[in-house]
Amino acid sequence: EAGVAQSPRYKIIEKRQSVAFWCNPISGHATLYWYQQILGQGPKLLIQFQNNGVVDDSQLPKDRFSAERLKGVDSTLKIQPAKLEDSAVYLCASSLGAGGGGNTIYFGEGSWLTVV
Amino acid sequence: AQSVTQPDIHITVSEGASLELRCNYSYGATPYLFWYVQSPGQGLQLLLKYFSGDTLVQGIKGFEAEFKRSQSSFNLRKPSVHWSDAAEYFCAVGRQNNNDMRFGAGTRLTVKP
Repeated sequence: EAGVAQSPRYKIIEKRQSVAFWCNPISGHATLYWYQQILGQGPKLLIQFQNNGVVDDSQLPKDRFSAERLKGVDSTLKIQPAKLEDSAVYLCASSLGAGGGGNTIYFGEGSWLTVV
Repeated sequence: AQSVTQPDIHITVSEGASLELRCNYSYGATPYLFWYVQSPGQGLQLLLKYFSGDTLVQGIKGFEAEFKRSQSSFNLRKPSVHWSDAAEYFCAVGRQNNNDMRFGAGTRLTVKP
């Protein structure tokens, strides 16, 4: 079974530039998550989708971050304009349903962003 | 909201020695508890999880964890560590009806030969 796919794996941009990350979840998984993991910290949930609807985006900095999951499968996370503090690994994850119901969350390998 | 504390930032053990990584959580109801492992440059891999039932749960790679409600703890253990176990370990807590899962800051494990 294919895992969660993410691209690009690595990206270096200058501050104030924009960047987009793509995620393809495990086939059949209705729930998709984007996490931000800053060096030395645990992952922090940015946004959670159930199919193509947003379940939780309370920790998403909406002035510069946006995410969409138009057809309930793939998702894109965009940062515009980027700040130095956005340097982090962006992890995409998916689960069959909402994980609190006992569904395991599976993570991709992450997209590493460096803002200079 | 729930929260997780991993008191140890970095632990070093000798290969073949036993291991215990500590995790304390804060949550008013019965939590869903997880341990994940992250190797350098990789995503997170689930080691084990606790939802209900037997408080001692077995996971992959020879790991186990014990849920102790009275101590609000979910410590991870392994009787004999292998060099390949060197990685970052994250404890996480989730809620029953929502997957607002919160992670600890992680414990980095170094294995000495």
